[in-house]
Amino acid sequence: QVQLQESGPGLVKPSETLSLNCSVSGGGIDSDYWSWIRQSPGKGLEWIGDVHFIGSITYNPSLKSRVTISLDRPRDQFSLKVKSVTSADTAVYYCARGPSGYYYDTWGQGTLVTVSS
Amino acid sequence: QSALTQPASVSGSPGQSITISCTGTSIDVGSYNLVSWYQHHPGKAPKLLIYEVSKRPSGISDRFSGSKSGNTASLTISGLQAEDEADYHCCSYTGINTFRVFGTGTKVTVL
Repeated sequence: QVQLQESGPGLVKPSETLSLNCSVSGGGIDSDYWSWIRQSPGKGLEWIGDVHFIGSITYNPSLKSRVTISLDRPRDQFSLKVKSVTSADTAVYYCARGPSGYYYDTWGQGTLVTVSS
Repeated sequence: QSALTQPASVSGSPGQSITISCTGTSIDVGSYNLVSWYQHHPGKAPKLLIYEVSKRPSGISDRFSGSKSGNTASLTISGLQAEDEADYHCCSYTGINTFRVFGTGTKVTVL
């Protein structure tokens, strides 16, 4: 049973870069799509982007200029970086697995990232 | 790309059936049978309930069913139980910029 776990700082200063990792256990990242999704306080879920195991990456156009998603195959991890953060980036960030890229069958518990000075 | 529209809240009594709608447009829900639904208890990982409009993953109760008509997808929960009290989110593939769009989320309350 694949399990995902997010990790990273819970507090980031405005204008800095938010960095999160997602560790995959119970199976490698040598298949499927690996995604980042967030939920800002009081709002619905927002798809950030995903990376296919062969390396192709798709981003939400509204975030594309600030976001980088990458795979670390040897460590069975994938990561998210969001640069130049503002308070609007305060959210619970989830990593997820997408067997086809169109739905997500396994999610991490989520990690709250607050942007504040 | 705007979020898909869901009712903010839906409620029902134990044993009743409720339906949550998810309204999109002709470039997302209306054009692709790629709608999925997620149950989310606060503080826990979201759980996939339905994918590709009406398919249930292994282990998901048949009390949960999905359908679609035009630009609106629906999730029906039959035989409502206390444990169904949670937030529910829909998601669809959209042909614009090949990305995915989620719904606004619906809080289900079991009376």
